[in-house]
Amino acid sequence: DAGVTQSPTHLIKTRGQQVTLRCSPKSGHDTVSWYQQALGQGPQFIFQYYEEEERQRGNFPDRFSGHQFPNYSSELNVNALLLGDSALYLCASSLTADISYEQYFGPGTRLTVT
Amino acid sequence: AQSVTQLGSHVSVSEGALVLLRCNYSSSVPPYLFWYVQYPNQGLQLLLKYTTGATLVKGINGFEAEFKKSETSFHLTKPSAHMSDAAEYFCAVHQGAQKLVFGQGTRLTINP
Repeated sequence: DAGVTQSPTHLIKTRGQQVTLRCSPKSGHDTVSWYQQALGQGPQFIFQYYEEEERQRGNFPDRFSGHQFPNYSSELNVNALLLGDSALYLCASSLTADISYEQYFGPGTRLTVT
Repeated sequence: AQSVTQLGSHVSVSEGALVLLRCNYSSSVPPYLFWYVQYPNQGLQLLLKYTTGATLVKGINGFEAEFKKSETSFHLTKPSAHMSDAAEYFCAVHQGAQKLVFGQGTRLTINP
């Protein structure tokens, strides 16, 4: 059973560019959450997708957007990249019906903005 | 809103010594609490979780944590540290609809 997968592993972009990160959830999971982890910090919640809709959002600007596909996979898009967007982006999947609220994390995508 | 404070950004212990990583939370509702471990250049792996019931929770790799409501704490312990325990540890609290709020993390170093 494959766990949560993310692509690409690493990415280098220039300020002002746009980037798309991808996530495939653990088999059987229907909810995908995205987190940003800056160097030396704990993960910060960006947003969550369920039934192809954004269910809740953290304190991130509109430059951060996402999408969930019918197969539950998800994309995170960031427009007009800033140096401060450099971070590890983590995808987590879960099952909405799971009352223990356990989330399974992928290995992350390391984004460097120069 | 829920929040988490991890006391000590860096903890160093000798191999074989007790590991104690501190976590205090703030929550307006009965909390669901989690400890995750992150090895270098990897994602997060769940060590253990508290939902309801028994306040002493056992996890993987010999770790355990005790939920103390009166102290709003959920400290992580391991009786005997191993070199392979060196990693970053994150405490998290559930904040509605499967959103997690994380602490800043504690880097654990094991001295031979």
